[in-house]
Amino acid sequence: GQQVMQIPQYQHVQEGEDFTTYCNSSTTLSNIQWYKQRPGGHPVFLIQLVKSGEVKKQKRLTFQFGEAKKNSSLHITATQTTDVGTYFCAGLNAGGTSYGKLTFGQGTILTVHP
Amino acid sequence: DAGVTQSPTHLIKTRGQHVTLRCSPISGHKSVSWYQQVLGQGPQFIFQYYEKEERGRGNFPDRFSARQFPNYSSELNVNALLLGDSALYLCASSLAGLRQGDQPQHFGDGTRLSIL
Repeated sequence: GQQVMQIPQYQHVQEGEDFTTYCNSSTTLSNIQWYKQRPGGHPVFLIQLVKSGEVKKQKRLTFQFGEAKKNSSLHITATQTTDVGTYFCAGLNAGGTSYGKLTFGQGTILTVHP
Repeated sequence: DAGVTQSPTHLIKTRGQHVTLRCSPISGHKSVSWYQQVLGQGPQFIFQYYEKEERGRGNFPDRFSARQFPNYSSELNVNALLLGDSALYLCASSLAGLRQGDQPQHFGDGTRLSIL
């Protein structure tokens, strides 16, 4: 079945430093979504990417979807303490037995030291 | 507008028992999906329901079942509980989409299920 891997598993940064998490799928994706989950909270939708090579920005966050639609990245510029949480990617499989189902990565836990 | 609401927030059961978890979607959302999130992992897809019909199923045993009601609320049932069923169970609603993941998922706060 489809697998979605995220690296790194953990990232500790000083406030003001940049942060990047990477997401790789074993299969081609129709789209990829990114979510943020604060400690003790539930996942909150951030963005959806659909097109090959797509790049979207939300203030200090930059999201990219790979040309082959099998990988994605989230980059945060100049982290703030409010960025703390776990960032998940979720891929929608383009075909196969996992067709139409969202598969989440295991997440990257971001801690920011003030 | 109210978000996705789930009940109960916490539940403690013993092995072999059964449990029913409930979810009310955002008003206007017709699709409801259920996820299991084990500590330290991402949500794992269990079911999707749309217009009262099952539209997708993840790799979970037949002990797991669900249904959707005419008002689009949903229940997740788990029979013969095992220790490994301890997890946060998340419900997510979304606007209608051909596939479960076509639309952003709006999650509720979840039900924390502990099996003793």
